[in-house]
Amino acid sequence: DAKTTQPPSMDCAEGRAANLPCNHSTISGNEYVYWYRQIHSQGPQYIIHGLKNNETNEMASLIITEDRKSSTLILPHATLRDTAVYYCIVRGDLYNQGGKLIFGQGTELSVKP
Amino acid sequence: EPEVTQTPSHQVTQMGQEVILRCVPISNHLYFYWYRQILGQKVEFLVSFYNNEISEKSEIFDDQFSVERPDGSNFTLKIRSTKLEDSAMYFCASSFRGVNTEAFFGQGTRLTVV
Repeated sequence: DAKTTQPPSMDCAEGRAANLPCNHSTISGNEYVYWYRQIHSQGPQYIIHGLKNNETNEMASLIITEDRKSSTLILPHATLRDTAVYYCIVRGDLYNQGGKLIFGQGTELSVKP
Repeated sequence: EPEVTQTPSHQVTQMGQEVILRCVPISNHLYFYWYRQILGQKVEFLVSFYNNEISEKSEIFDDQFSVERPDGSNFTLKIRSTKLEDSAMYFCASSFRGVNTEAFFGQGTRLTVV
């Protein structure tokens, strides 16, 4: 089962920042937080991941709370093409959990003009 | 930019037939995965593969399923005797290492069992 909780849907105005929350209160010390998104039925697209420090790349920023029990994905200037289902995933160690990604239902983000 | 490629993009098969779904992972990647997504449902893990053997499989991955890396570049998923409920999108993924590197997904094969 997924170890994360996300709101089922969110709206965001085009050009504004989209802040997608995720709770992962049972995360353990060696587990990473990953974010993926899926547009229609395309293959999931990697966005960003982190362990405990905040991370930023060309797509997004990831803010992880100090206790690591929750995180927020930030898309700084959302566009219509960012409309997708966003998945927050806790990924464990290969030799304990196979390095697999366990997808939940995700958050359906709608970016509106 | 390197990508995971899957063929075919769409396959239609009759119930009871065998199908092989093919994937070419990113060339220097070491870990390989298959996932499936039934229409309208979430993405489900099937199997992970490392060092020429299965490292983990889900309860979905029963005796009807098998995986192989026949030639060092392709990674295949075989379904021996397809059922109607096997109809789904099947995604292949690969990563260079395990937990601290991103896994890249292919665009999927839509399998329709009639």
